[in-house]
Amino acid sequence: QVQLQQWGAGLLKPSETLSLTCAVSGGSFSGYYWSWIRQPPGKGLEWIGEINRSGSSNYNPSLKSRVTMSVDTSKNHFSLKLNSVTAADTAVYYCARGQKMSGYYPRTFDYWGQGTLVTVSS
Amino acid sequence: DIQMTQSPSTLSASVGDRVTITCRASQSISSWLAWYQQKPGKAPKLLIYKASSLETGVPSRFSGSGSGTEFTLTISSLQPDDFATYYCQQYNSYPWTFGQGTKVEIK
Repeated sequence: QVQLQQWGAGLLKPSETLSLTCAVSGGSFSGYYWSWIRQPPGKGLEWIGEINRSGSSNYNPSLKSRVTMSVDTSKNHFSLKLNSVTAADTAVYYCARGQKMSGYYPRTFDYWGQGTLVTVSS
Repeated sequence: DIQMTQSPSTLSASVGDRVTITCRASQSISSWLAWYQQKPGKAPKLLIYKASSLETGVPSRFSGSGSGTEFTLTISSLQPDDFATYYCQQYNSYPWTFGQGTKVEIK
């Protein structure tokens, strides 16, 4: 059974950098895209971006200038950094498994992390 | 970006009711649409992928249909466990986008 376990700092000041990591266990890490998705309190879901094992990434243009994703294939981890945070970045951040890189597997976001509430406040 | 619009935003229904939620895309997404269920404090759960395929382990009272720009999620007989918020999401073109959500409440 695929499991995603995420962690990172939950309280930031404006202008600081958000940093989260997600560890994947129980399944193939190499064959998929791995995404970050966020949800402001009481609001809907926003896709932040994705990365694959080789480090190839796609970001949401709305956040692209502030986002960096990375991958550590030796640990089956992937990470998110979001710089220059403001109160508008306060949200629950989720990691999730996206689409398969090859072969027919038409699912997306079929496994999710538990979520991390990140609050930006002075 | 492809905009996803769900209706209604809130739906009040009783146990046993047939419930339908609509999702419209601002341009054609073929069948690249997923539906998720989210309960308070929990991560979303995949229910339907590729517009009409039921995810493993999801009860058969859930079904999805549609293609192009108009899609529906139907719950054939609402159960107590189904009161939650439902989101559609397109994965036809970047950036992946979600609908604003439909909250299914107890009538």
